[in-house]
Amino acid sequence: GAGVSQSPRYKVAKRGQDVALRCDPISGHVSLFWYQQALGQGPEFLTYFQNEAQLDKSGLPSDRFFAERPEGSVSTLKIQRTQQEDSAVYLCASSSETQYFGPGTRLLVL
Amino acid sequence: QQPVQSPQAVILREGEDAVINCSSSKALYSVHWYRQKHGEAPVFLMILLKGGEQKGHDKISASFNEKKQQSSLYLTASQLSYSGTYFCGTGLDSGAGSYQLTFGKGTKLSVIP
Repeated sequence: GAGVSQSPRYKVAKRGQDVALRCDPISGHVSLFWYQQALGQGPEFLTYFQNEAQLDKSGLPSDRFFAERPEGSVSTLKIQRTQQEDSAVYLCASSSETQYFGPGTRLLVL
Repeated sequence: QQPVQSPQAVILREGEDAVINCSSSKALYSVHWYRQKHGEAPVFLMILLKGGEQKGHDKISASFNEKKQQSSLYLTASQLSYSGTYFCGTGLDSGAGSYQLTFGKGTKLSVIP
């Protein structure tokens, strides 16, 4: 595909449910980033991959958040036992010289 | 560590000009500008690198003052399509392919007829 794609675009979860968010980066992009964007705020860094290696996960808010990119292309962000404060847009970006963002997954935890 | 953007919001009439500023307390390698419309992904506008290189949009210009760690985005002869929230993302690392960015809180630009 021409750009970064993410699925699902919208997810409603009950508190305590596990969710998995998928990111398909631009083909050939080595670097992949996950961000969390709260309403009215800029994207906040969660984690970063170079190929399949997770080089920085300092932005993950708790051990309920887990990300993987096993084959160095598609990445999944998993949130276990979702809480209401996890409600946000989760953006994925892949990078060459700059970062190109996907459309995001809007997560609402009830 | 988060860059500071100003103003927080601005309203323009079509054809007017605007300047959006981004400043950091840390030594920067790169500044990346994005525009985000409501409910959509941030769209890349421009990248400015330490040393003066710039890459980006034909109708938008920007500057990067390396000594002051400040960048400004210049929007001239604004069009309705310029409306959105503008974010600067700052990069500290020069490693190829990383460009780990920290984003400001955004500047909301509204262009009215």
